[in-house]
Amino acid sequence: NSKVIQTPRYLVKGQGQKAKMRCIPEKGHPVVFWYQQNKNNEFKFLINFQNQEVLQQIDMTEKRFSAECPSNSPCSLEIQSSEAGDSALYLCASSPGQENTLYFGAGTRLSVL
Amino acid sequence: GDQVEQSPSALSLHEGTSSALRCNFTTTTRSVQWFRQNSRGSLINLFYLASGTKENGRLKSAFDSKELYSTLHIRDAQLEDSGTYFCAAENNNNRIFFGDGTQLVVKP
Repeated sequence: NSKVIQTPRYLVKGQGQKAKMRCIPEKGHPVVFWYQQNKNNEFKFLINFQNQEVLQQIDMTEKRFSAECPSNSPCSLEIQSSEAGDSALYLCASSPGQENTLYFGAGTRLSVL
Repeated sequence: GDQVEQSPSALSLHEGTSSALRCNFTTTTRSVQWFRQNSRGSLINLFYLASGTKENGRLKSAFDSKELYSTLHIRDAQLEDSGTYFCAAENNNNRIFFGDGTQLVVKP
């Protein structure tokens, strides 16, 4: 039902390494959200974009992550220096905007060893 | 989550029975969504509600923005309904907060 594409499905990194994941939103959806879901199923909002502009982000994202949604390219989320606590499922969702109905990709499961 | 209290955390149903999940919100909520997540992590959007009720097959959801709660009713549960159900509430600042999920197991 969702046409949001996330790559890679799985990502394994060592502590201190960069970890980069990508998301292609559903065509025509200008709003993109990134969430982190931990092993306890808890969702943490990371950042969202409207077209190429950041709408909101949390402090952690601002300091340790870099994210962008360039025009005509996939959105990306990159952890600059991975920590063990970053191991989680990273979910990207896009939304048509007028209503923030979220359509999720399949996620990138990050393991930081 | 802090903004959304979801219950129950786990639920076991026999095929053919019915039950309801509930989310209470601690702050003004402009809309609610319900999702089902499978074992591989894929999330399917079941409902988006800004008010009132919606029905889709054996699923029905209601949202009361004044009383700050939403429900998801599952009628005539089937094996394929198994999964983890999440509600998500959007506040007036366009932030969307998720509940901690209900793990539903439907047994033959």
